Amino acid sequence: QSALTQPHSVSGSPGQSVTISCTGTSSDIGGYHFVSWYRQCPGKTPQLIIYDVVKRPSGVPDRFSGSKSGNTASLSISGLQSDDEADFYCSSYSGSDTFGVLFGGGTKLTVL
Amino acid sequence: QVQLVESGGGVVQPGRSLRLSCAASGFTFSNYGIHWVRQAPGKGLEWMALISFDGSNQYYADSVKGRFTISRDNSNNTLFLQMNNLRPDDTAVYYCAREFRGSHAPNSCDFWGSGTMVTVSS
Repeated sequence: QSALTQPHSVSGSPGQSVTISCTGTSSDIGGYHFVSWYRQCPGKTPQLIIYDVVKRPSGVPDRFSGSKSGNTASLSISGLQSDDEADFYCSSYSGSDTFGVLFGGGTKLTVL
Repeated sequence: QVQLVESGGGVVQPGRSLRLSCAASGFTFSNYGIHWVRQAPGKGLEWMALISFDGSNQYYADSVKGRFTISRDNSNNTLFLQMNNLRPDDTAVYYCAREFRGSHAPNSCDFWGSGTMVTVSS
């Protein structure tokens, strides 16, 4: 059960768009439509912002969108706002040998 | 409103045991699978375990399999994590998190507790 791979950090200016990648394998991201994304603001608990690769829970702005290609999932954030600064984590179901849930190492988003 | 409140954390010596609790309220606890997820200081999230809504199935990360046991008491709306043979690298904030039922995926959690800190040190 290896962690998913995310860039350590990304940055963008207000109003711009950024994309955060999350790379796994055919046993997790590539094999299932079960990718989630979480936002964690400093000192706060994680918030689910994307599930089932592309879906948004109620209340999450459509500035946040998810996608997947092969073994890599992506989170895109458009119209960056200063309060978007947070850590973002991807997660995938892993069904290689046994049931597992994997997280990425997290990506720090900085709004310049 | 949905609430998950963890307790039981503290400072413990390597090799000792600790039992965490997660008290749930504001929803029908017995209808939901619940996860334990931990976060070491300054580090990322790490999934630990999941228990099904009725307690009949438990799943564990390889890093804790055989040392940690997840269980639940649906009559008292409480989740537990029994942690044995603790190691310094088990030091983390431990969160309980509710499975999101809007998804078929087992890895989506819509509500999280505020966490309880476990420090393993001699």
